[in-house]
Amino acid sequence: AQSVTQLDSHVSVSEGTPVLLRCNYSSSYSPSLFWYVQHPNKGLQLLLKYTSAATLVKGINGFEAEFKKSETSFHLTKPSAHMSDAAEYFCVVSDRRTGNQFYFGTGTSLTVIP
Amino acid sequence: DAGITQSPRHKVTETGTPVTLRCHQTENHRYMYWYRQDPGHGLRLIHYSYGVKDTDKGEVSDGYSVSRSKTEDFLLTLESATSSQTSVYFCAISERGGQGDEQYFGPGTRLTVT
Repeated sequence: AQSVTQLDSHVSVSEGTPVLLRCNYSSSYSPSLFWYVQHPNKGLQLLLKYTSAATLVKGINGFEAEFKKSETSFHLTKPSAHMSDAAEYFCVVSDRRTGNQFYFGTGTSLTVIP
Repeated sequence: DAGITQSPRHKVTETGTPVTLRCHQTENHRYMYWYRQDPGHGLRLIHYSYGVKDTDKGEVSDGYSVSRSKTEDFLLTLESATSSQTSVYFCAISERGGQGDEQYFGPGTRLTVT
């Protein structure tokens, strides 16, 4: 069965410092992995996705993530946090066994301190 | 932004009453999903549809039913609402389902059952 673990429920960083949001997954098949962002009282927006092409994936707003099969990880990073990055972030997995379903992590709330 | 609307956006209802939430898309995507979002749980799948009249259960389907009579509309019904169904409900669409394809989300419906 698939599962996604977001290792931190809350992360605080200072503006201008790097961001690291951690995600580990379990999947018996080649997974597709996604990061979504949710700003307060908004819907979810796709940041980036991995679908078995390049292991380093670049997304919107300067975010990127690296797929590491040996570590079953897909951590999200950004070199320099901006105040507008404060939001909830979700790591999501699917694979060809589940076909149509996506599995969400419980989310990481990012606070950016001015 | 993907053309997804949800109605109503907010609803307060009493325990025991039926409630129907509507998701409408203009993208002609095959897959449609209903999730609920609760603190500490991320998004959990209620039901999804892989075509007109084709639906399947998700992780938290008890107490919910769905219908899809047209490609563009996916209805979620709470036959007899309970306080445990107070939540934010999100609809999502996907062109090819979980096989490497991302989801696009609606703005959400905040449901309160008193």
